Amino acid sequence: DVKVTQSSRYLVKRTGEKVFLECVQDMDHENMFWYRQDPGLGLRLIYFSYDVKMKEKGDIPEGYSVSREKKERFSLILESASTNQTSMYLCASSKSAGNNSPLHFGNGTRLTVT
Amino acid sequence: AQSVTQLDSHVSVSEGTPVLLRCNYSSSYSPSLFWYVQHPNKGLQLLLKYTSAATLVKGINGFEAEFKKSETSFHLTKPSAHMSDAAEYFCVVRTSGTYKYIFGTGTRLKVLA
Repeated sequence: DVKVTQSSRYLVKRTGEKVFLECVQDMDHENMFWYRQDPGLGLRLIYFSYDVKMKEKGDIPEGYSVSREKKERFSLILESASTNQTSMYLCASSKSAGNNSPLHFGNGTRLTVT
Repeated sequence: AQSVTQLDSHVSVSEGTPVLLRCNYSSSYSPSLFWYVQHPNKGLQLLLKYTSAATLVKGINGFEAEFKKSETSFHLTKPSAHMSDAAEYFCVVRTSGTYKYIFGTGTRLKVLA
């Protein structure tokens, strides 16, 4: 079974702090994704990566950056955390080949910015 | 453009009765379709996927979904609800030839004892 591991389940940070959310997958998947999930807004794509050192903006990239130095690891960075970034963050991965490749999700990181 | 509509935001059923969660999609090309379940404070777990090999797809925990191209639907069913099925369910379509997955807004399933 694919395992996607997010380093923290709960995180509390102060406004203005730089925040790192880490995600590791163990199935050699080419694609990795970061979503945020908010009540009433569903899941929104922040960034995704289809290869090492490659990244593409999703629907809401403002205030975020990402890093993918190794195939198994995809980091989400909040350069200067703000209260409107309080959310549930979900990392996912998928194989590149074939359109029937599903997303495999981690358990999420619930971030609170105070 | 691709889109997914989950027709009910909330569904309540009694334990032991059938479950029907409705999903309609819009796709210019042959879609890839998925159903996911999310329990509170957890990530999303894949229930089943449509791969174009068969229109009736069986998933985990007794769930099934039927792909109906003429109706552009991919409804999720289960013959008999269990208390542990209470969760939020998401219908997802993958855009052919891209990396983009389109999520429905979710259906919260409540199971009454």
